[in-house]
Amino acid sequence: DGGITQSPKYLFRKEGQNVTLSCEQNLNHDAMYWYRQDPGQGLRLIYYSQIVNDFQKGDIAEGYSVSREKKESFPLTVTSAQKNPTAFYLCASSSPGGIGSTNEKLFFGSGTQLSVL
Amino acid sequence: SQQGEEDPQALSIQEGENATMNCSYKTSINNLQWYRQNSGRGLVHLILIRSNEREKHSGRLRVTLDTSKKSSSLLITASRAADTASYFCATDYSGAQKLVFGQGTRLTINP
Repeated sequence: DGGITQSPKYLFRKEGQNVTLSCEQNLNHDAMYWYRQDPGQGLRLIYYSQIVNDFQKGDIAEGYSVSREKKESFPLTVTSAQKNPTAFYLCASSSPGGIGSTNEKLFFGSGTQLSVL
Repeated sequence: SQQGEEDPQALSIQEGENATMNCSYKTSINNLQWYRQNSGRGLVHLILIRSNEREKHSGRLRVTLDTSKKSSSLLITASRAADTASYFCATDYSGAQKLVFGQGTRLTINP
């Protein structure tokens, strides 16, 4: 089945710890995105990548880092610099990608709930 | 912020009634999209309407776009209990490389 897989579904972070959220897609999409959702709120963009080996900061990138070494994978690291990491994290992908292209519909994973111990 | 605004924030209706949600945005767009989210799950794309379109239908969904008022509405007809979810509009602003999501409308359908 084609789709986006996020893991783990639940994740707990200790003080001062970095944690990495996994996002894998087999849709052959060029563009991938990470969003953060707080309770009862909309989605805020953390980072996005239009092509492999390239990514851009979104609206709330501080305290987060990403890599895009493979087309299929776009992991998100929540660093210890992110002081309020508790949230629901959503990964998405879309096609076509490319700078300046119209943004077509997004396909979302099922999310990772990150909590602080 | 370019974030759109949705209203109402919450809507509760009886099964069988129609539900209408509204979205307003700030600058010119390429397209506007509506998504649905069940509690604790990812978002699912419902419908995309382009800036040169005024109305679009998909099953029980009807979306309108008024670019002069910078607003869109999503109508769900003959609602069912399974339609209970949060609904988000997302705008593809001209020149942007990303979608901007609204705060969402929480829809509850009472059986």
